[in-house]
Amino acid sequence: DVKVTQSSRYLVKRTGEKVFLECVQDMDHENMFWYRQDPGLGLRLIYFSYDVKMKEKGDIPEGYSVSREKKERFSLILESASTNQTSMYLCASRAHGTSGTGELFFGEGSRLTVL
Amino acid sequence: QKEVEQDPGPLSVPEGAIVSLNCTYSNSAFQYFMWYRQYSRKGPELLMYTYSSGNKEDGRFTAQVDKSSKYISLFIRDSQPSDSATYLCAMSGTGGFKTIFGAGTRLFVKA
Repeated sequence: DVKVTQSSRYLVKRTGEKVFLECVQDMDHENMFWYRQDPGLGLRLIYFSYDVKMKEKGDIPEGYSVSREKKERFSLILESASTNQTSMYLCASRAHGTSGTGELFFGEGSRLTVL
Repeated sequence: QKEVEQDPGPLSVPEGAIVSLNCTYSNSAFQYFMWYRQYSRKGPELLMYTYSSGNKEDGRFTAQVDKSSKYISLFIRDSQPSDSATYLCAMSGTGGFKTIFGAGTRLFVKA
């Protein structure tokens, strides 16, 4: 059974804290993605990675960074959390070579609240 | 203007009803059209996938794409309470990495 695991389901942080969101996939997928999901706005792409140590900005990268040191792991970092980063964060993976055509496999999400 | 427009609902229907969910889009380069289903407190899962224009049927679900109108639809026949979820349309073009999502329509099917 394919799986994308987000280690933290619920987090509460204070403004200015550094936040790490971890995502691990067991499907040997090359492509990994971080989205945030907000009511009325749908899923918006923050960053993606098409290979180890490679990263590309998505549509809303400001205030975020990412790390992909191993193929199976893709981390989202909030250097200094702010209240407008309170959201649901979804990690996804996809097999290489399928570009825009392939199925995205999502984790269950990490709900972050910044106070 | 958003690239993909989707009415967020909520949409409430009785069990057994036919449900119609829709999205419009503005980018004519989109070639791949998808519907994801998301249950509460879960991540989205792919439900239907269509390439270019036309219809695709899978059990009680039918996906339609009209590229001339830039309009896609998902029909659910004989809706069940287990169909209660948020339905997200999604689309992408060839050669790119991005998948663009609609806002999602929340559906409630009452027993």
